[in-house]
Amino acid sequence: EAQVTQNPRYLITVTGKKLTVTCSQNMNHEYMSWYRQDPGLGLRQIYYSMNVEVTDKGDVPEGYKVSRKEKRNFPLILESPSPNQTSLYFCASSASSGRETQYFGPGTRLLVL
Amino acid sequence: GESVGLHLPTLSVQEGDNSIINCAYSNSASDYFIWYKQESGKGPQFIIDIRSNMDKRQGQRVTVLLNKTVKHLSLQIAATQPGDSAVYFCADTLPSGGGADGLTFGKGTHLIIQP
Repeated sequence: EAQVTQNPRYLITVTGKKLTVTCSQNMNHEYMSWYRQDPGLGLRQIYYSMNVEVTDKGDVPEGYKVSRKEKRNFPLILESPSPNQTSLYFCASSASSGRETQYFGPGTRLLVL
Repeated sequence: GESVGLHLPTLSVQEGDNSIINCAYSNSASDYFIWYKQESGKGPQFIIDIRSNMDKRQGQRVTVLLNKTVKHLSLQIAATQPGDSAVYFCADTLPSGGGADGLTFGKGTHLIIQP
């Protein structure tokens, strides 16, 4: 089944404790992206990747890092999480660019205490 | 990026009725539009899309209408069912080279189905 998977689905952590949220897609998509979704603000793009070893900042990149060492994986790294990063995070992928239909993972709900 | 918004945050309809969800976009250069459905606890799911060279596109029980003159997009759901309860949001994008790469999302309309 074609899908985007994320892990973990739920995470509670404390301020400053580094964490990684994994994202994987099995559709051989070149483009991958991370979003956060907050009430009243909708989906905002954090980082995106056009292909392996190519990453760019989205609208809200501060406090996040990403890497794209393999085509299928696009982990999101929070080096020193803060409470304002409490949010619902989605990974998405599309065949070749961000200007086409993106397929979303199930989401990761993060609480930073 | 440009904003894409929705007229109503919540829409309540009777089961079996037709639903119409509206979206206004601000950038006249946008050339591709998508409707997503997000059920509680799940990620956004693609419903239907339309390019700017069209004004109507139909899927199974869903129709998207595009009015470029007034920069308005709507999603029509026929014979609404309980499983249609979700947040619906639109997204648009500019042509390649036209600006930021990626989709601009609206904030969503919550569709509630009354029995």
